[in-house]
Amino acid sequence: GQSLEQPSEVTAVEGAIVQINCTYQTSGFYGLSWYQQHDGGAPTFLSYNALDGLEETGRFSSFLSRSDSYGYLLLQELQMKDSASYFCAVSPPMGSSYKLIFGSGTRLLVRP
Amino acid sequence: DAGITQSPRHKVTETGTPVTLRCHQTENHRYMYWYRQDPGHGLRLIHYSYGVKDTDKGEVSDGYSVSRSKTEDFLLTLESATSSQTSVYFCAIGWEGTVETQYFGPGTRLLVL
Repeated sequence: GQSLEQPSEVTAVEGAIVQINCTYQTSGFYGLSWYQQHDGGAPTFLSYNALDGLEETGRFSSFLSRSDSYGYLLLQELQMKDSASYFCAVSPPMGSSYKLIFGSGTRLLVRP
Repeated sequence: DAGITQSPRHKVTETGTPVTLRCHQTENHRYMYWYRQDPGHGLRLIHYSYGVKDTDKGEVSDGYSVSRSKTEDFLLTLESATSSQTSVYFCAIGWEGTVETQYFGPGTRLLVL
């Protein structure tokens, strides 16, 4: 089966850098996605890693290492509006590539 | 915005009653999904559809059924609501080749008393 693990909560200071880790146990997958969700809102897509390495999109970067079954989301120059929950997700292999399996989410609190 | 709406946005119902939630998209996407979100569990897939009249179960499908008679609409039905189905329900859409990128509707808050 597939399972993903993320820290439940992370706290950081405005202007700092924070890394949210995601480890997974799966027999194979197509890629690692990250979603952001503000309280009371809907999840929104942030990034997707189809290959190993670092993908950068503005202040956010996402990293994937298949050999280590590990990925992370890096948020730089933190802003108060970055306070939200962040979910990693993988798409399982072998004919079920049109669905995602989500982690339980990491709640990020950014303090002044 | 991806043009996806959910109705109703809030609903209170009693145990044992049937409930139908509607997801409507204007994007002509092939794939549609229903998730539930509960504290500590993240997003869990209930059912999904990969085309009109083509649906399949997700990881928490017991007690739920779905139907998709048109590309734009995906209905989720709780045949006989239970208190354990109190949750926030999200619909999402995706398209072939990029199913890792899903767009979510605003959600429906369901309370089963």
